[in-house]
Amino acid sequence: DAKTTQPPSMDCAEGRAANLPCNHSTISGNEYVYWYRQIHSQGPQYIIHGLKNNETNEMASLIITEDRKSSTLILPHATLRDTAVYYCIAGGGGGNKLTFGTGTQLKVEL
Amino acid sequence: GAVVSQHPSWVICKSGTSVKIECRSLDFQATTMFWYRQFPKQSLMLMATSNEGSKATYEQGVEKDKFLINHASLTLSTLTVTSAHPEDSSFYICSALQGLSGNTIYFGEGSWLTVV
Repeated sequence: DAKTTQPPSMDCAEGRAANLPCNHSTISGNEYVYWYRQIHSQGPQYIIHGLKNNETNEMASLIITEDRKSSTLILPHATLRDTAVYYCIAGGGGGNKLTFGTGTQLKVEL
Repeated sequence: GAVVSQHPSWVICKSGTSVKIECRSLDFQATTMFWYRQFPKQSLMLMATSNEGSKATYEQGVEKDKFLINHASLTLSTLTVTSAHPEDSSFYICSALQGLSGNTIYFGEGSWLTVV
């Protein structure tokens, strides 16, 4: 799996957009970019994933740069319940494993 | 999204005994499942990759004779911690790859193991 780099922590005001960056400069052509989040003492929750194109679902949007070396997860209207550790992972594809980095602790405040 | 269920959610066992944790994909078939462990305030560490009908592939440093993994069907994988010791106390999490050629991986709720 390609290594990813994320800021260790970020703060966001409730109701504002949370933009979480991730660098994955060594990602290979068949590796996806996955985002998961983990709330304390729970299993990781799937958010979104993509290969080359930007993706959007009911939870978030994923913006992948054209060279695929970095991406941004966007939570359009953050709420207090979005406070969690967010993991960006470059890997998967064809059943390959996902290796977790240290993630970003997002704190959403009033 | 798809659902992956683990059982038990938490378990306490005595040193020297064995404990089994189940991981089930409830609404999809999973040819590949993964087992992780997580210590407090740390990230998830991949232990092994489990493929249905074949032997698991263990990550470097993970004792295959201590952490027995069985993937007997397309919806069930089990992790057995044998001869458990207090240092095996941890949060164990499984995940499952959706579909034969899918690329979405869903995680279970995790299982807390405490060895006393």
